[in-house]
Amino acid sequence: KAGVTQTPRYLIKTRGQQVTLSCSPISGHRSVSWYQQTPGQGLQFLFEYFSETQRNKGNFPGRFSGRQFSNSRSEMNVSTLELGDSALYLCASSSNPTSNTEAFFGQGTRLTVV
Amino acid sequence: GEDVEQSLFLSVREGDSSVINCTYTDSSSTYLYWYKQEPGAGLQLLTYIFSNMDMKQDQRLTVLLNKKDKHLSLRIADTQTGDSAIYFCAERWAGTASKLTFGTGTRLQVTL
Repeated sequence: KAGVTQTPRYLIKTRGQQVTLSCSPISGHRSVSWYQQTPGQGLQFLFEYFSETQRNKGNFPGRFSGRQFSNSRSEMNVSTLELGDSALYLCASSSNPTSNTEAFFGQGTRLTVV
Repeated sequence: GEDVEQSLFLSVREGDSSVINCTYTDSSSTYLYWYKQEPGAGLQLLTYIFSNMDMKQDQRLTVLLNKKDKHLSLRIADTQTGDSAIYFCAERWAGTASKLTFGTGTRLQVTL
């Protein structure tokens, strides 16, 4: 069974641009969450989706948005990129947000903003 | 509030036991997790413990939970060089499997 797949693995963007990252959860999993990892702030929760609906949102500006499709794949978008958005973006999947205990992470997308 | 703390660094010799500690503040946590992150990689789920348990053992890993003191530890027996990584503890609130609050991470260095 394939794990969580994130694409692309690496990305370089310029300040002011926008970026879209993709996450395909484990087959059969319907819950996807996104995290930002930086050396200064550590791992911070961005948002969680289940059945195409956002269930939870972290404390990030509106430039960060996401969505989930009917096949459970999720995308996150960051508009008007800032240097501080450079980070490793991690996606986690789980089968059900209320009953399942385990969240499995992808390898991440490393975004560099120059 | 939610705050999970870990010591930043631990160095052990190969073959010794490693103990990584974590303290958390949210008493409504239902599950507590340990993840491992190797350089350039994502997070690998190692083990987890339900908040009404005191201990869980899984091969070389032993998790101890002191709910009164909100203290969680991960013991790795017979530590190997392949165990060198950053270890994160995380807590989860009831009702969501994927919203985790992570600690700052402990870098484990295993020396020969």
